Amino acid sequence: KNEVEQSPQNLTAQEGEFITINCSYSVGISALHWLQQHPGGGIVSLFMLSSGKKKHGRLIATINIQEKHSSLHITASHPRDSAVYICAVSSTANNNDMRFGAGTRLTVKP
Amino acid sequence: NAGVMQNPRHLVRRRGQEARLRCSPMKGHSHVYWYRQLPEEGLKFMVYLQKENIIDESGMPKERFSAEFPKEGPSILRIQQVVRGDSAAYFCASSPGTSGSLSEQFFGPGTRLTVL
Repeated sequence: KNEVEQSPQNLTAQEGEFITINCSYSVGISALHWLQQHPGGGIVSLFMLSSGKKKHGRLIATINIQEKHSSLHITASHPRDSAVYICAVSSTANNNDMRFGAGTRLTVKP
Repeated sequence: NAGVMQNPRHLVRRRGQEARLRCSPMKGHSHVYWYRQLPEEGLKFMVYLQKENIIDESGMPKERFSAEFPKEGPSILRIQQVVRGDSAAYFCASSPGTSGSLSEQFFGPGTRLTVL
């Protein structure tokens, strides 16, 4: 079993729909990150969380430390949101030791 | 301000050859991270370097792989005697600081290595 599990693996939505991507982890963490990988391969960091909730535009990320679970929400989804969304955690034992989920491939259809 | 540059973007090697992947960090960044993304798998941390120093290579295979970040020039990830299992996308990221946080890391476009 992977230390970082994401669901679903693939997600197809219609433009305008509310999207939720889930991430569960089994290790002690100092922080959790959400990344976006575009079809061309480029990766950008969206959020870093250690508690609570963060919002940036139409993106919202939440984390529940006790349940070892995080969600990434996209409101009013748009075709340009189509990408792979990756959850990653920094281990408490080694800040450089990032553990990555396999990613959720999101396709938003117009 | 140019972003993180990686070259080549695509590299094809035959089994047994050497692969050299280059990463030029963003201007002002002195920390470089290398990650590997195997087909249909998630990213995996390989190595973290500062100028002229390897800080953490806990994710690097013990044999055939090496990395350097010289005082002048790009960071190099070298894979000797490549095998088919080395086929993957290799991403480099750079950061200005020492926190190691992904949120401070800027990723390059990746090098896609194919071993025939």
